Amino acid sequence: GENVGLHLPTLSVQEGDNSIINCAYSNSASDYFIWYKQESGKGPQFIIDIRSNMDKRQGQRVTVLLNKTVKHLSLQIAATQPGDSAVYFCAETLQGGSEKLVFGKGTKLTVNP
Amino acid sequence: KAGVTQTPRYLIKTRGQQVTLSCSPISGHRSVSWYQQTPGQGLQFLFEYFSETQRNKGNFPGRFSGRQFSNSRSEMNVSTLELGDSALYLCASSFQPGNTGELFFGEGSRLTVL
Repeated sequence: GENVGLHLPTLSVQEGDNSIINCAYSNSASDYFIWYKQESGKGPQFIIDIRSNMDKRQGQRVTVLLNKTVKHLSLQIAATQPGDSAVYFCAETLQGGSEKLVFGKGTKLTVNP
Repeated sequence: KAGVTQTPRYLIKTRGQQVTLSCSPISGHRSVSWYQQTPGQGLQFLFEYFSETQRNKGNFPGRFSGRQFSNSRSEMNVSTLELGDSALYLCASSFQPGNTGELFFGEGSRLTVL
């Protein structure tokens, strides 16, 4: 259930597998990146963030990787659960500037029991 | 504490009408931003307000406007509605601008233009 390198609009994985969701960002000047999870009928919910001076950050079951050379972000979810089913968006911004986030296209993750 | 509250949750309008959407930020949050979400364009930034002042504006026509009140509540208005304005309008709040990692979104107001 892993896909690396390309943005996919949908990703289907088995419960317990690891998931990788990819995102390409547009502005080389962006210095702050965030992953959001959006469940059906709800607003986006913060998952994890990373600053441009880092290339990896870990949270609970989630890891974000940043490759500034190719302007690429990925979100890794360990031991994916049915409750992880949602649309995942990456967002970029200039930290400290404003709340103007530029969002990626989103990947719909479906976790099959 | 209560989250970001948006009203109304759903509304239907016809072309040419206008609409006002309301957002109450989390208590103590003074920065409010608005986003439009559509299947085709995704999530796009509309405006950002702090201390009743618009700090930033996205690339939307002048039919889209907003304001923030002294209690940090915010409204956005869309005049002369077009079919393409059908979207989920999301409001987000934070304590102050730049606290993007502490940006909390409401559940949105879903506007349908017929």
